[in-house]
Parts: sequence; structure tokens; C-alpha cells
Amino acid sequence: DTEVTQTPKHLVMGMTNKKSLKCEQHMGHRAMYWYKQKAKKPPELMFVYSYEKLSINESVPSRFSPECPNSSLLNLHLHALQPEDSALYLCASSQEIGGTFLYYEQYFGPGTRLTVT
Amino acid sequence: AQSVTQPDIHITVSEGASLELRCNYSYGATPYLFWYVQSPGQGLQLLLKYFSGDTLVQGIKGFEAEFKRSQSSFNLRKPSVHWSDAAEYFCAVGARYGGATNKLIFGTGTLLAVQP
Repeated sequence: DTEVTQTPKHLVMGMTNKKSLKCEQHMGHRAMYWYKQKAKKPPELMFVYSYEKLSINESVPSRFSPECPNSSLLNLHLHALQPEDSALYLCASSQEIGGTFLYYEQYFGPGTRLTVT
Repeated sequence: AQSVTQPDIHITVSEGASLELRCNYSYGATPYLFWYVQSPGQGLQLLLKYFSGDTLVQGIKGFEAEFKRSQSSFNLRKPSVHWSDAAEYFCAVGARYGGATNKLIFGTGTLLAVQP
């Protein structure tokens, strides 16, 4: 099973709202990622969690707050977003590197389409 | 710096015709290369990957890609395109980010349209 699930599929929120995006995988992966994708552009990395600890923050504004409650779950908490934050938010996971394996492929979820009004 | 170039922004082919999507990379060490496909409004699906070994790799949905180190290329091919192959295709290189962390560096993508 190589499935990453994301909820909700679509989200519309006002600039004063607080909402959360959820991502789940049951592949035993210990690295999880959040990406932001604007239309007709490649995904842009936002955050990386490795063994439930935040290892990369690509200078993302503090109105985005990631959380990794356990090895299967990844959340992205949203607060006071701007209209330019409207995008497709993708979650991905991969095995963690180790030994002679320097890289593993990432598996992506279907994404959450976020619209900020 | 690592980078990935997909020279073709948009390609149109007829159904049943062959397809080749180009990808060039810039990476100092042995590259870990990937092709992903994305249908409209969907996530990215891994088509194939190259880590080492045989330079011709087979993927899902009848796709294959050839790694050419001398040309820094990793072109994606399919002998006969189906209408369902219409999508955005991303080439990516996996890069070490420091310590035990990795990241994907994506090309800008190639949008494939299939004519009946």
C-alpha cells in the first residue's frame, strides 16, 4: 500500500479563520513533507519532518504551523491567511535514509485545494 | 547548485503516437532521478525512478526513461500514447539537504495534451 490520504479535499476559509489540514500514511515512513503548489507551477517545499521532529522549514510564514503528533499523522494549522495563500497543499512521505540508501522516493497525497477569501 | 530543466512547457501529440519528454539536470554527485505525473487537481504519482544500475528504467503505465550521464539527461518515453496520458509531467532530482534529510528539486513541468 503506497497511499497517502489528505483531508479535506477542498477548504474555503476567510482571512480571520483558523483551520487545519490533515495528512495520514500507514506505510511506516518516518519522513513527511508539506508542499504548496500554485497553478501551473511545480510543488514548493514548505516543511519536512523526520522521526516526528521538524527538520526543514523553508522560511514559511508563521501563519502556517505544522505538527506531527505521531509517525503516521501530519497536520498543517492555518491562521490569518492571505488570499495569495490559496493553492493546492500536498503532503508526501518517504522512508528515512540510512545505511547505503541515500534517498528514497516520496509518495504524494491527492492534496487539499485551499481558497482564502 | 542543483537544478532541473524541462525545455518543453507544452507538448501535443496524437493518440497512438510516440512520446518523448525531455529533462536535463545539474547535480554534482550521483543523481537520484524521478518522473512524476499529475492529473488536473490531483496529487503527484511516481512514474519511475533512477538510483543506479541499468540506465534504462521501466515505470508504470508503459513509460520508460533513459539516464544519460554524458548528456545530463533523463528523458521520459512512451511508444504509444493514450488519451488518458494527458497530464502535467514533472522531472525531479533528489538532493541531500544536510544531515539525514533529503529534498526534491522539480523541473517546471511539461503539460501533455493528446489529440484524438
